[in-house]
Amino acid sequence: KQEVTQIPAALSVPEGENLVLNCSFTDSAIYNLQWFRQDPGKGLTSLLLIQSSQREQTSGRLNASLDKSSGRSTLYIAASQPGDSATYLCAVTSGGGADGLTFGKGTHLIIQP
Amino acid sequence: NAGVMQNPRHLVRRRGQEARLRCSPMKGHSHVYWYRQLPEEGLKFMVYLQKENIIDESGMPKERFSAEFPKEGPSILRIQQVVRGDSAAYFCASSSDREGSPLHFGNGTRLTVT
Repeated sequence: KQEVTQIPAALSVPEGENLVLNCSFTDSAIYNLQWFRQDPGKGLTSLLLIQSSQREQTSGRLNASLDKSSGRSTLYIAASQPGDSATYLCAVTSGGGADGLTFGKGTHLIIQP
Repeated sequence: NAGVMQNPRHLVRRRGQEARLRCSPMKGHSHVYWYRQLPEEGLKFMVYLQKENIIDESGMPKERFSAEFPKEGPSILRIQQVVRGDSAAYFCASSSDREGSPLHFGNGTRLTVT
């Protein structure tokens, strides 16, 4: 059974810092990996999707990497801003998507102005 | 270009009542997923449906919960005889037929059972 772990559970940093969020998964036979952002009381916004054949994806100040063999992914946020404060969720799709996504519990990020 | 639409946004039910949660997928999407998020917990998969078919309901409790995605109209997650433990945020996601396509999520329905 696939399990996804995110470290740290919470992180608070001053504005402007670069930071890394970590995600690990137990079964390396994944189809793809997604990073989402969730704001309090809101739904999920997809940030980046990495297919199993890819090693990284970039969007603006965000860069996500994937090391499938070791079961790890990182989300790098450059030059953090207060608007980046949110919960960041990592999720993997296994088995061709038939069972949807398996989510980690998220990293609650606070960027201090 | 509407995204995934869920309604209602908030739903309050007394114990023993029925709750009906609706989800309209993105235009062109024929795959629907339902997830539940309990306080301080991650999102847990409940059920995966395609039009008129339940593909995988391994995450859905066997009793009181049912889901459908009819040929016409939204997908419905139905919870009968709700209990306090059903209080959670219920999220719907949809995807296209293309393998490996990303899931797009709605804003969720927050169910409170009093």
